[in-house]
Amino acid sequence: AQKITQTQPGMFVQEKEAVTLDCTYDTSDQSYGLFWYKQPSSGEMIFLIYQGSYDEQNATEGRYSLNFQKARKSANLVISASQLGDSAMYFCAMRARGRTDKLIFGTGTRLQVFP
Amino acid sequence: NAGVTQTPKFRVLKTGQSMTLLCAQDMNHEYMYWYRQDPGMGLRLIHYSVGEGTTAKGEVPDGYNVSRLKKQNFLLGLESAAPSQTSVYFCASTIQGSTEAFFGQGTRLTVV
Repeated sequence: AQKITQTQPGMFVQEKEAVTLDCTYDTSDQSYGLFWYKQPSSGEMIFLIYQGSYDEQNATEGRYSLNFQKARKSANLVISASQLGDSAMYFCAMRARGRTDKLIFGTGTRLQVFP
Repeated sequence: NAGVTQTPKFRVLKTGQSMTLLCAQDMNHEYMYWYRQDPGMGLRLIHYSVGEGTTAKGEVPDGYNVSRLKKQNFLLGLESAAPSQTSVYFCASTIQGSTEAFFGQGTRLTVV
C-alpha cells in the first residue's frame, strides 16, 4: 500500500534562513513520482516541485529543491532564503505510475516564517 | 484556459440532503481525483478515475459516489449528507507521465 508521512506538524524559520520539510513514503512500485504543493491561507493548491523515481539528479525549482534519498524512501523539501510569503501549509504527495495511478498526500507541515 | 473548475465554491446542506459537486477540466486529462481536506488530516483521496467511464475507490470512499461519463467531467455525489462530511473538497486532474497535477479552487461544504 502507498503511504506518505510528514512528521512535522509545524515548523518555524527566520526570514532568509533555509528550512527542510520532511517527507517519507512507502510504496512497492518501482516507478513513481513525488510532488510538493504549497497551500497558502487563501486555500489554493500551488505546485512547487516534482521528482521522478528514476531521476538521478535532485529536482530544483528556484529556491526549492527536493532532497531525494531513494534507499531511505525520503523526499524532503528544502526552501532556501525563506521569505515571509513562504508561510503556508506544505504537502508532500506521491503517485505510483501504471498500476493504480493513485495520487496520495501526507498530512502536511505548517511553515511559519518570522522576520 | 480555465484549467480545473469546481462547482459550487460554497454550499450549506441539511443532514440527509443530497448534492453533486462538479469538477470540469479543459486539458484533456485522463486522470481525475476527488479529495477532502480536514484540519490535521491533509488531503484524503475519496475516489479517482483513470479514464472516461472508469472510477475507483480511494482512501475514504464511504458516503460518496462518483461518475465519469465524459472525459472532461468528474462528479462527486453525496446521497444523504452527514455532518461528518463537512469539509473542503478538492478536485485534481493530470495525464499519464505528467510531473504536475492541477487542482481546482476547492468547494467548502457545510452539513448542518
